[in-house]
Amino acid sequence: LAKTTQPISMDSYEGQEVNITCSHNNIATNDYITWYQQFPSQGPRFIIQGYKTKVTNEVASLFIPADRKSSTLSLPRVSLSDTAVYYCLVGDLTYGQNFVFGPGTRLSVLP
Amino acid sequence: NAGVTQTPKFQVLKTGQSMTLQCAQDMNHNSMYWYRQDPGMGLRLIYYSASEGTTDKGEVPNGYNVSRLNKREFSLRLESAAPSQTSVYFCASSEGGQGNGGSPLHFGNGTRLTVT
Repeated sequence: LAKTTQPISMDSYEGQEVNITCSHNNIATNDYITWYQQFPSQGPRFIIQGYKTKVTNEVASLFIPADRKSSTLSLPRVSLSDTAVYYCLVGDLTYGQNFVFGPGTRLSVLP
Repeated sequence: NAGVTQTPKFQVLKTGQSMTLQCAQDMNHNSMYWYRQDPGMGLRLIYYSASEGTTDKGEVPNGYNVSRLNKREFSLRLESAAPSQTSVYFCASSEGGQGNGGSPLHFGNGTRLTVT
């Protein structure tokens, strides 16, 4: 089970690009890297997922180096509504998994 | 498409009372999960069900039981509630199964439980 490490908190200003890095040194061959966003009083919401290299969707990009021991979530031009907790999860959900969510990264976007 | 539906949304129990939290998903997912989240903390896995007919303990299973009633429904039971079980409970599901190792988790909106 891959353990992840990410910063506890980050501050940014509206319009800036935010990069949140997650370390996962013991990632296994079949593991995927998935990022979730959680607002207060809501369940986590899927943002983006990758296996290797770079993935981009309409809300974020995910950069994964060749060794896959870390990943970086990039949020372009953040707004106040991006203030949330961001979780990095690493694993293979083929047969369900005992995922351990860390405390996540609390992103505060300031005006 | 409702996704993952949890009932009830809020519940207050007295110590020693029992209750069942209900969860249903309409995405035909194989795997389902129960998490708890304490204030300011990350989510901790209580139990999960990789497929219909199977259940496994997670990180914090003590004081809870689960039932995978069918493919759609996964319930969590507190037999004798304790104040330490005051928390927000989230149910999640994922596609699971061979070839779906990367299928993400889909979460419900949670049940806020207070035990006095």
